[in-house]
Amino acid sequence: DQQVKQNSPSLSVQEGRISILNCDYTNSMFDYFLWYKKYPAEGPTFLISISSIKDKNEDGRFTVFLNKSAKHLSLHIVPSQPGDSAVYFCAASVRGTYKYIFGTGTRLKVLA
Amino acid sequence: NAGVTQTPKFQVLKTGQSMTLQCAQDMNHEYMSWYRQDPGMGLRLIHYSVGAGITDQGEVPNGYNVSRSTTEDFPLRLLSAAPSQTSVYFCASSYQGESDTQYFGPGTRLTVL
Repeated sequence: DQQVKQNSPSLSVQEGRISILNCDYTNSMFDYFLWYKKYPAEGPTFLISISSIKDKNEDGRFTVFLNKSAKHLSLHIVPSQPGDSAVYFCAASVRGTYKYIFGTGTRLKVLA
Repeated sequence: NAGVTQTPKFQVLKTGQSMTLQCAQDMNHEYMSWYRQDPGMGLRLIHYSVGAGITDQGEVPNGYNVSRSTTEDFPLRLLSAAPSQTSVYFCASSYQGESDTQYFGPGTRLTVL
């Protein structure tokens, strides 16, 4: 049973427009959420995180929104750049368990 | 700072062979973990460690062993390789583990024939 779901395997966006990547989770105990970016043949790199006590966290062009009632989070990238083309994973954890559950990833392609 | 290093980059094994995937970090991180990435499955946690001498199981621990004798190293052992263990393996580390950023190594691509 997939506790963290990324239902869109791929997404294409024009350069300069907004990219919105979505993630849903089923475990209401999750209280910390992260987004990672992964280029081919490399390990994932951390992008941005959010604690369940917040509903928004911003870092430059990247903003993560958390809707706890809907068990949904999203990553907004504005403006999108060709270098943002990568696979994006969301991950969730329950603090104190040291276990991170990852979604299956969304491949973002930013078209120049 | 080399960060998180993994060796080898690629490995081909025959069913039943054993091997050790190496992982090392030079950031003095307490928390280290192993993941496998399979198509359509995302990353799944195999084992993790919150410090030297302490290890615990993740989502998919069967067929793998770990030990943590030093802060720097966290090897993953495949006891008797099976085709189902064909995957890309990533090691990660972080300072506190609970909420801090995890830094990932470049991965080891393992094929079991």
